[in-house]
Amino acid sequence: TQLLEQSPQFLSIQEGENLTVYCNSSSVFSSLQWYRQEPGEGPVLLVTVVTGGEVKKLKRLTFQFGDARKDSSLHITAAQTGDTGLYLCAGALKDYGGSQGNLIFGKGTKLSVKP
Amino acid sequence: SAVISQKPSRDICQRGTSLTIQCQVDSQVTMMFWYRQQPGQSLTLIATANQGSEATYESGFVIDKFPISRPNLTFSTLTVSNMSPEDSSIYLCSVGGGVFNYGYTFGSGTRLTVV
Repeated sequence: TQLLEQSPQFLSIQEGENLTVYCNSSSVFSSLQWYRQEPGEGPVLLVTVVTGGEVKKLKRLTFQFGDARKDSSLHITAAQTGDTGLYLCAGALKDYGGSQGNLIFGKGTKLSVKP
Repeated sequence: SAVISQKPSRDICQRGTSLTIQCQVDSQVTMMFWYRQQPGQSLTLIATANQGSEATYESGFVIDKFPISRPNLTFSTLTVSNMSPEDSSIYLCSVGGGVFNYGYTFGSGTRLTVV
């Protein structure tokens, strides 16, 4: 059973288009993180959301954490070819007194932005 | 955030042999995590390594196959033992951000091919 459902799995769009990636779960997370991974590299943290209903913006990227802390979305406005990569959501189920334990990863969204 | 040096970055190994992957962190961390990323897939947690105690393995992973060492707060190794082609994957180590810093940092990964 996949604890964190991420969709879509693949996304191919033209430069300038908008897109949204979703992560959903029946579990409540103490925090949820979004990573971007390029070939041959480890995932790089984009953002962490902690509070239910929280919205964070990182230039053209908007991240939202659901009110119940069970789901999250990543919205990219006016996508650029440099946004191409694997986007991963990851949730932390436990908070070890402020220092978190392991992450549960979604299956990832492979985004391709064509010029 | 922490900086992780992971090596080797890639290796091609004969079946039946073992490979030890090293991760060095530039600061002291309580927990280190080892993940596997199979081709085209997301990350799956292998084990959590705490300094001074036995590593905690996730379902489907056993110590005989993936022995882990954690001799101090800045270093850990993962050994992939008695390798078969099914072990061909990217192996990643990770550390959490610590108290009030929820971001995780990943090593750049070890791409293992077993022939």
